[in-house]
Amino acid sequence: QVQLVESGGGVVQPGRSLRLSCAASGFTFSNSAMHWVRQAPGKGLQWVAVISYDGSNKYYADSVKGRFIISRDNSKNTLNLQMNSLRPEDTAMYYCARVGLHTSSWWSGSDIWGQGTMVTVSS
Amino acid sequence: QSALTQPASVSGSPGQSITISCTGTSSDVGGHNYVSWYQQHPGKAPKLMIYDVSNRPSGVSNRFSGSKSGNTASLTISGLQAEDESDYYCSSYTGNSTLYVVFGGGTKLTVL
Repeated sequence: QVQLVESGGGVVQPGRSLRLSCAASGFTFSNSAMHWVRQAPGKGLQWVAVISYDGSNKYYADSVKGRFIISRDNSKNTLNLQMNSLRPEDTAMYYCARVGLHTSSWWSGSDIWGQGTMVTVSS
Repeated sequence: QSALTQPASVSGSPGQSITISCTGTSSDVGGHNYVSWYQQHPGKAPKLMIYDVSNRPSGVSNRFSGSKSGNTASLTISGLQAEDESDYYCSSYTGNSTLYVVFGGGTKLTVL
């Protein structure tokens, strides 16, 4: 069964750090580029970052650039998001998503999503 | 980078067709064919319904179709069914190094 399972969310104070993980199963993780997308409570989706299949290329939204780091461990089938200097506006459900196997482009839609992990930044 | 513009809500009766618009600029929707549509039921993860403007992933009903004209993309759902009631989001590649992917604000579809 193709599956993504996020973990690591929680309540954290502004300025602190948190590390999210996304465990992949049921497909060849090392062949797939991956995205992180977030959704603030009651709001729409917001793209956060993307990483290439081998981790050699990474791109970020300006709102998180310099604070968040996307990485992956293909030996463990795991995607990570290190979040530093957290702000209240980073409060959201964080989803990992697989770049669709229908395409070779990172921007062509994500066909598998995890159920998300909630991050709350509050004092 | 502003979000793509979608109507906040649309509605239709079972069996009818509805269209959800997604308006961007020449930098995103109008400039690339990387427009996707997602369906999201409350408390659930998004589901890919359309990719590359008009392509359906395997397993998605052919009642869902996508198109684009200029800076506006559209999602059409024909033969509305109760289970189509959901939130729908469009997204587009922007080619902009400050925000590579932009989403619409979402449209709530109500099946009357």
